Amino acid sequence: DAGITQSPRHKVTETGTPVTLRCHQTENHRYMYWYRQDPGHGLRLIHYSYGVKDTDKGEVSDGYSVSRSKTEDFLLTLESATSSQTSVYFCAISESGAETQYFGPGTRLLVL
Amino acid sequence: AQSVTQPDIHITVSEGASLELRCNYSYGATPYLFWYVQSPGQGLQLLLKYFSGDTLVQGIKGFEAEFKRSQSSFNLRKPSVHWSDAAEYFCAVGEGSSASKIIFGSGTRLSIRP
Repeated sequence: DAGITQSPRHKVTETGTPVTLRCHQTENHRYMYWYRQDPGHGLRLIHYSYGVKDTDKGEVSDGYSVSRSKTEDFLLTLESATSSQTSVYFCAISESGAETQYFGPGTRLLVL
Repeated sequence: AQSVTQPDIHITVSEGASLELRCNYSYGATPYLFWYVQSPGQGLQLLLKYFSGDTLVQGIKGFEAEFKRSQSSFNLRKPSVHWSDAAEYFCAVGEGSSASKIIFGSGTRLSIRP
């Protein structure tokens, strides 16, 4: 299995609070991705990174920001969490854009 | 913009029966196409992918998929399903010059009847 960890694995927070999710890889892959998974929507890309300090938006980026200061870490921040951001968040890594994406175990976030 | 449609939300098949999961995509050029599987409570695992060449692609766990450009389809098949195949299946298309972004379909949940 690809070395990808996500932390925390579960989080409950209140509306309006900031939340940061962490994705850590040990594979030295260039690309890292954040998705959210909601019933009926499959996985939707939030942001992705194609190198240190190089990031781009996905299809549902509003309300989220990301940072990648090291190859191995990709942080997703909800500046002010809303109930609509209750979801399961998956991190993925890929050696190159068109190659297989390997997924982390997911983080369940509940915003009350 | 690229899009992926999986018209079947939920399919139930008997163990040992054949399976076909449908996927249609919208993309201007030759697409990068993927099928992923997600077991309950797990992340996603790649079953197979198509970039170019032979339009019939073999994957893991006995799955195959066929790329049909004329129908904009990339359907997943398995000749005989096992109870362990019960999961959710996602079709995806790569976007961008190097497929740096992947657009996923909404998924098809597969149940297996004993």
